[in-house]
Amino acid sequence: SQTIHQWPATLVQPVGSPLSLECTVEGTSNPNLYWYRQAAGRGLQLLFYSVGIGQISSEVPQNLSASRPQDRQFILSSKKLLLSDSGFYLCAWSVGSGRQETQYFGPGTRLLVL
Amino acid sequence: AQSVTQLDSHVSVSEGTPVLLRCNYSSSYSPSLFWYVQHPNKGLQLLLKYTSAATLVKGINGFEAEFKKSETSFHLTKPSAHMSDAAEYFCVKAGTASKLTFGTGTRLQVTL
Repeated sequence: SQTIHQWPATLVQPVGSPLSLECTVEGTSNPNLYWYRQAAGRGLQLLFYSVGIGQISSEVPQNLSASRPQDRQFILSSKKLLLSDSGFYLCAWSVGSGRQETQYFGPGTRLLVL
Repeated sequence: AQSVTQLDSHVSVSEGTPVLLRCNYSSSYSPSLFWYVQHPNKGLQLLLKYTSAATLVKGINGFEAEFKKSETSFHLTKPSAHMSDAAEYFCVKAGTASKLTFGTGTRLQVTL
């Protein structure tokens, strides 16, 4: 069966420090991968998605970047964190396309920027 | 605009009573629709999905939802609430190019 991992689970970082969040998927090949952010009391915002190694699409201009160095690994990064980067970051995966595509979410990383 | 509207931001029920979480969507076609549940500080878990087969969809943990095209609704129901059902519920619509549109969420509170 497929599983998705995210780490760390919780992170407290000072403003201006770098960031690296990792997401890995097991049990599937060539998944679509997604990064979302969920701010406190708000819905989910799609940040990046990837349909293959090295292929990244950005949805919202921001202080963050994403990379996909391996088929089942998706990394979210920042060179200098802002206070507004605080939130709950969720990684998701899917396979297929069209009506049969379903996204499955990881456990999330809680980021607090102070 | 293509959107998803969850009509209640907060619903409170007593344990053992029915649950109804309402969702309306707007779309120029019959979309794929999903319900996800999120417990505090956890990721989203898929409850059920509608992809144009049977209009009554059964999900996990006793939840079900009915797709009503004439009403553009996809309400989530459960006959008898359990304390463990207390969580945030999201109605979600699939769009083009794997993009999802999320409702703003409904917080379900279950009381004794």
